[in-house]
Amino acid sequence: AQSVAQPEDQVNVAEGNPLTVKCTYSVSGNPYLFWYVQYPNRGLQFLLKYITGDNLVKGSYGFEAEFNKSQTSFHLKKPSALVSDSALYFCAVRVLIYNQGGKLIFGQGTELSVKP
Amino acid sequence: KAGVTQTPRYLIKTRGQQVTLSCSPISGHRSVSWYQQTPGQGLQFLFEYFSETQRNKGNFPGRFSGRQFSNSRSEMNVSTLELGDSALYLCASSLDGTSSYNSPLHFGNGTRLTVT
Repeated sequence: AQSVAQPEDQVNVAEGNPLTVKCTYSVSGNPYLFWYVQYPNRGLQFLLKYITGDNLVKGSYGFEAEFNKSQTSFHLKKPSALVSDSALYFCAVRVLIYNQGGKLIFGQGTELSVKP
Repeated sequence: KAGVTQTPRYLIKTRGQQVTLSCSPISGHRSVSWYQQTPGQGLQFLFEYFSETQRNKGNFPGRFSGRQFSNSRSEMNVSTLELGDSALYLCASSLDGTSSYNSPLHFGNGTRLTVT
């Protein structure tokens, strides 16, 4: 079955330190991977995507993600965390269904807390 | 460009009633997807509409239905509400739908449905 796993429910970092939010995936075929962020009482905001090409993908708000095919991982990173980065982060993989379009399968989410 | 607009933001209904949620996509987007978000199940795919046709459907009972109009606006209906239907319902639009990897989903802020 195709799936996405975010092994950490919560990640705590100090402001100014680097952050990593982990994601692993299981798909058949080429993976199309996404990261979204959700602030309280809001919808999801698109951060970045991996389709093909460079394994390091740069996105919005200084975030980047590293695609690792051998480890089936797509970890989200930021060199220097801000308090305003505190939010819920979702990794997702696009799944295609023949002749029916597609859908995103989301991980369970990781709560990122950045303390001053 | 205006973002994805969902109305209403909050709804309180009682068991057995029905409810209709509305979603206006970003101008020019032809695809609308619906997701249910709950603390226990996370983000679950409901269905996707593209050019007024349902393209793909998730694993939800027939009480959940939707439609898309010629202007791409979409509605989602839930009949015979159950307590377990309490959730945040998110609508997302994209230019070409989830079968196109170049069209990330853009989410609205959701409708918070509470069933009592």
